[in-house]
Amino acid sequence: QKEVEQDPGPLSVPEGAIVSLNCTYSNSAFQYFMWYRQYSRKGPELLMYTYSSGNKEDGRFTAQVDKSSKYISLFIRDSQPSDSATYLCAMRNYNNNDMRFGAGTRLTVKP
Amino acid sequence: EAQVTQNPRYLITVTGKKLTVTCSQNMNHEYMSWYRQDPGLGLRQIYYSMNVEVTDKGDVPEGYKVSRKEKRNFPLILESPSPNQTSLYFCASSLRQQYNSPLHFGNGTRLTVT
Repeated sequence: QKEVEQDPGPLSVPEGAIVSLNCTYSNSAFQYFMWYRQYSRKGPELLMYTYSSGNKEDGRFTAQVDKSSKYISLFIRDSQPSDSATYLCAMRNYNNNDMRFGAGTRLTVKP
Repeated sequence: EAQVTQNPRYLITVTGKKLTVTCSQNMNHEYMSWYRQDPGLGLRQIYYSMNVEVTDKGDVPEGYKVSRKEKRNFPLILESPSPNQTSLYFCASSLRQQYNSPLHFGNGTRLTVT
């Protein structure tokens, strides 16, 4: 079993839709959670990070962490074609700072 | 502009021909790392460096070498490339290897080994 599981998609939605992207993890030592966005032919860039259970909002993006279920989510409201990218979840091990990435979910937002 | 620069962006080579992928950052970051990205497997760490002259293996180090002689540069060396090293490679850096120090990635090097 992988330490971090992420549905690779692809996911295709119409413009304006609410998008939900999810990851599960197995190691309770993961305490710091991130979402990276990767456009085609580019490197990943940090979108959001959080280290506590609950929600964190940044504009149209909301990161949600449920440590009891070992489940994290990224919600995108009013999705735009410019949101079309691959979204990778990532998490850091509190004990050794090791970082693990999900496989990434490819999202397409159609105008 | 703060950035991580990798070269080349695309590389096609043959089995056994030594190659080097360069990586340079201009942010005075202590921590640098190499990843490979393969479909369905995500980003896997090859090697990392906590600071100058300090390097260590990641999860998939076999067939790779690195060096960190200067803070800004962290080249990835494939002494004898094989087809299973065909992949998309990313260099990344952060101020330090700690939870609140985000990784900054280069734009990748797509390597094909025939």
